[in-house]
Amino acid sequence: NAGVTQTPKFQVLKTGQSMTLQCAQDMNHNSMYWYRQDPGMGLRLIYYSASEGTTDKGEVPNGYNVSRLNKREFSLRLESAAPSQTSVYFCASSDLGTGLYGYTFGSGTRLTVV
Amino acid sequence: DQQVKQNSPSLSVQEGRISILNCDYTNSMFDYFLWYKKYPAEGPTFLISISSIKDKNEDGRFTVFLNKSAKHLSLHIVPSQPGDSAVYFCAASAQAGKSTFGDGTTLTVKP
Repeated sequence: NAGVTQTPKFQVLKTGQSMTLQCAQDMNHNSMYWYRQDPGMGLRLIYYSASEGTTDKGEVPNGYNVSRLNKREFSLRLESAAPSQTSVYFCASSDLGTGLYGYTFGSGTRLTVV
Repeated sequence: DQQVKQNSPSLSVQEGRISILNCDYTNSMFDYFLWYKKYPAEGPTFLISISSIKDKNEDGRFTVFLNKSAKHLSLHIVPSQPGDSAVYFCAASAQAGKSTFGDGTTLTVKP
C-alpha cells in the first residue's frame, strides 16, 4: 500500500535551474493536488487536477507548471527556480465527492533554492 | 485574506487531560471541515471531519464540534497522550472541492 509517492525527497537547486517534482498515487483517485508549506505557515495550494485531463490554478501558481500525465501521475515543474520557492512540497490525492474523507498526502519534497 | 485561521500557534497540555484546538473560518460557502495531524518529516494525515449539516462528530478520543453561526470549529482530544504531540491543521472546502488550510497548531502533550 504505497498510497502517494513523491520523488525526490530532497533537492538543492541553484537560482535559475529547472526541475520536475514527481507524484504518483495507486488508489485510483480522480483528484490530485500540489501544496507548498513554508515555515510556520499552513499548506497553500499551487495547482490541482480535479480529474484526468484537467488542471487548474490554486492560490500560489506563479513560477510553476503542472502536467496530469495520466490518472496516476501529476507532476510539478519549476522552470526557473527562485529562492522564494524554497519550501516543502506536498502532493495529495482524493476521490471526487468525498469531502468528508480528506486527502491522502505524500511524504513531501524538501526543496532548497540557493 | 486568510479564510481559515488557527489563532493559537502552540498548545501544551498534561497527559490524560483534554486538548482543545480551535479554528475559525470566514467563507460561508465552506461545507466540509477536516482536521489533519502532521508529524515532522511526514505528510499530513487525515484525522476527522464534519459536514456543515452536523454540529458534532466523534471518533474514539477525537471529537470535532462545529458552530456555524460563529464560523468556528474545535477539535477535542480526550484523554491526551504523548503520541498526540504533532502539528494539527484545520482545513475547509466547498462542495468537496479543493481544501483551504489554516497555519496549524503545535500540540505538545507532556508525560
